[in-house]
Amino acid sequence: AQKVTQAQTEISVVEKEDVTLDCVYETRDTTYYLFWYKQPPSGELVFLIRRNSFDEQNEISGRYSWNFQKSTSSFNFTITASQVVDSAVYFCALSEPASGTYKYIFGTGTRLKVLA
Amino acid sequence: DGGITQSPKYLFRKEGQNVTLSCEQNLNHDAMYWYRQDPGQGLRLIYYSQIVNDFQKGDIAEGYSVSREKKESFPLTVTSAQKNPTAFYLCASSIVASGTQYFGPGTRLTVL
Repeated sequence: AQKVTQAQTEISVVEKEDVTLDCVYETRDTTYYLFWYKQPPSGELVFLIRRNSFDEQNEISGRYSWNFQKSTSSFNFTITASQVVDSAVYFCALSEPASGTYKYIFGTGTRLKVLA
Repeated sequence: DGGITQSPKYLFRKEGQNVTLSCEQNLNHDAMYWYRQDPGQGLRLIYYSQIVNDFQKGDIAEGYSVSREKKESFPLTVTSAQKNPTAFYLCASSIVASGTQYFGPGTRLTVL
């Protein structure tokens, strides 16, 4: 069965530190999509990245980078030089097109606190 | 501006009452979704609709109902049959069913 595990419930770092949020997924499909969303205190989920299972290239966007490794079923998210504005809950999600529903399976989220 | 709006932001309900949460999008997206979020948990899918006049149950549809009469609108009714409705409700839409989902600001429902 499909599953997304975010083992880190809460992480606290001091501003300017680098931090990595872990995401491990389970799926039997060969075609799937992985996502990261940010949920600031306001509550709205903000889309960060989508990655399909055939593209294992790592991606960098400013201070954000993502490491996708199919061998370990992981899709980890690193924030470099963290800032207070990065404080939020971050969710990893999995979607399997073969299911026909394209529904997302979310992890339980990691709360990141960046201290000034 | 294009986006997804949800109203109200906060909603209080007495036990036994039905309440309807609004979700509107002007992104011209075909697919729309309703999720429920409980503290410390991920999002769980309640209902989704891939096209007007059609919708399917998600993982936790019991006690909820929806309609999709217009492409732009996907209201969610929380009925009195929902045993524990206090939660944060998020609406999302995607250009097609396989597209990336974009979320609205959410409605926080509290049962008094």
